[in-house]
Amino acid sequence: GAVVSQHPSWVICKSGTSVKIECRSLDFQATTMFWYRQFPKQSLMLMATSNEGSKATYEQGVEKDKFLINHASLTLSTLTVTSAHPEDSSFYICSASRSASSYNSPLHFGNGTRLTVT
Amino acid sequence: GQQVMQIPQYQHVQEGEDFTTYCNSSTTLSNIQWYKQRPGGHPVFLIQLVKSGEVKKQKRLTFQFGEAKKNSSLHITATQTTDVGTYFCAGPGAQKLVFGQGTRLTINP
Repeated sequence: GAVVSQHPSWVICKSGTSVKIECRSLDFQATTMFWYRQFPKQSLMLMATSNEGSKATYEQGVEKDKFLINHASLTLSTLTVTSAHPEDSSFYICSASRSASSYNSPLHFGNGTRLTVT
Repeated sequence: GQQVMQIPQYQHVQEGEDFTTYCNSSTTLSNIQWYKQRPGGHPVFLIQLVKSGEVKKQKRLTFQFGEAKKNSSLHITATQTTDVGTYFCAGPGAQKLVFGQGTRLTINP
């Protein structure tokens, strides 16, 4: 099966610091990865689409300077929450698809990162 | 933009009872996918439906795709405590997968 690894699983940081979250596809190459944010008991909110070798595509309302995405290789995408504030506390989940037509194919999700900003 | 509506938002059942969640799209879908997210976990892909009127079964789970390819349902027969979680449907939108709001299933053992 397709395995997506996300690290760290949880992180607590102080307000004003930056946090980097890694998402790796372990047994397949992912041209496209997706970053989601999920508030308690709510659905998945797509933040951005991460494209290998090019700039990420951000959803409306998501600050690109706040949430930096880098997709340096076909197996690694990173999300950096810069100058984190308590309102950034949330569950962040990445996902990837084996297919180039990622919106028509099943997504494989990482375990998620629970971020708490104090 | 394309919307995927899912009902109910919550469902609480006694163990052994059946459960159904419904998904409706504002537009015709080329396919629909279903995911399950256990409490504290991440979404896990369950199934993808592609054909009009398609019905697929996975043990006690039955998935249907409407004839017009605008709605879908997931039915669980004789729920067990392991079925607890949130079930999401998702359909293709503009270069992305659009998720429904999810149905959170809780079960009284």
